[in-house]
Amino acid sequence: SQQGEEDPQALSIQEGENATMNCSYKTSINNLQWYRQNSGRGLVHLILIRSNEREKHSGRLRVTLDTSKKSSSLLITASRAADTASYFCATDTLTGANNLFFGTGTRLTVIP
Amino acid sequence: NAGVTQTPKFQVLKTGQSMTLQCAQDMNHEYMSWYRQDPGMGLRLIHYSVGAGITDQGEVPNGYNVSRSTTEDFPLRLLSAAPSQTSVYFCASSYSTGGDNSPLHFGNGTRLTVT
Repeated sequence: SQQGEEDPQALSIQEGENATMNCSYKTSINNLQWYRQNSGRGLVHLILIRSNEREKHSGRLRVTLDTSKKSSSLLITASRAADTASYFCATDTLTGANNLFFGTGTRLTVIP
Repeated sequence: NAGVTQTPKFQVLKTGQSMTLQCAQDMNHEYMSWYRQDPGMGLRLIHYSVGAGITDQGEVPNGYNVSRSTTEDFPLRLLSAAPSQTSVYFCASSYSTGGDNSPLHFGNGTRLTVT
């Protein structure tokens, strides 16, 4: 039972452009996280936004959260070729343990 | 610090064989977990542990066993490999066992093929 769904599945942009990825989820959450995965590697945590926050920034990353619509977006500004990766949203499972539901991911390609 | 270390990186098994995927972390994290990643499915939780001696099932536990005898190690055992277990397996750990959902630290994965 997958919690998060990213949209689009794949995104291709030119270097310097902004990239926006969206995530929708199904049930109530305490927080939502975004992770990045380079090809053949493990996931790396990018940012966490709590359910009582609406927007959060970290460097070139901006995350928004709309709990009424059960959706989040990740914006990467001034993209670089090194940003090419898959991006996943993850929500907590409310099980009391640090278990996460992951979405299916957005594959971002930044063309130099 | 090495972080989360998974071995082996690649493995090919025949149907019915058993094997253990190793996972070790050197960050003194209480929480550890195993996920499998399949195309179009995202990551799905297999088993998890909130401390030495404590394990519990995740979303897709059938066909897998785990144990947590030390804080550092969390091996995943495939009892009788099936082609449906062909996947990439990730081990993850975190300082927090729950509540504030501290970020997960992932290993680089084990790519398993069952023929």
